[in-house]
Amino acid sequence: QVQLVQSGGGVVQPGTSLRLSCAASGFRFSVYGMHWVRQTPGKGLEWVAVIGHDGSMTNYGDSAKGRFTISRDNSRNMVYLQINSLRAEDTSVYYCVRDLKSGWFDFWGQGSLVTVSS
Amino acid sequence: EIVLTQSPATLSLSPGERATLSCRASQSLSSSLAWYQQKPGQPPRLLIYDASNRATGIPARFSGSGSGTDFTLTISSLEPEDFAVYYCQQRSNWLITFGPGTKVDIK
Repeated sequence: QVQLVQSGGGVVQPGTSLRLSCAASGFRFSVYGMHWVRQTPGKGLEWVAVIGHDGSMTNYGDSAKGRFTISRDNSRNMVYLQINSLRAEDTSVYYCVRDLKSGWFDFWGQGSLVTVSS
Repeated sequence: EIVLTQSPATLSLSPGERATLSCRASQSLSSSLAWYQQKPGQPPRLLIYDASNRATGIPARFSGSGSGTDFTLTISSLEPEDFAVYYCQQRSNWLITFGPGTKVDIK
């Protein structure tokens, strides 16, 4: 069965960097695009980034441009989200999500809580 | 950015009743809209994509309709496990946005 198991997250200080990881299994990872979506109680659900099946295409939401980098390693069935210069407003639960038909989200990871606080 | 507005914010119904949830877009989406269900402590679950296609494993009591700027999610007869928050989502040109959600709670 499809599984997306996330790691990383936790409490981090403003201005530092963090990498979230997502291990995929149960499907042919190399043919699917992958996304990161975040959720906060105040702002709701927010799409962060997408990476194409082979890594050649990436796109970012407006809040993620410049400080966030999505990447993948198809040899390891892994997708990553690097966040630099963390801000309090980056505090969210971050989800790794599989793409269905270019922009729908059919399988979600369990979520990683990132809290940016001094 | 395309803004999605959902109504009502909260819908209070009893099991067995019909639920009708609305999502309105600030620009035409054609049929590019999806619906998700989220329960506390869980990630969202895809219910409907392309406005009216049920995702794999989704019961037939869930149906989606609409096109352009007005869309509807209908739950024909509420089961106890259907009380949750429902979100709509659009994907225009990789500028993906979600609605604020409708909470369906028990009356």
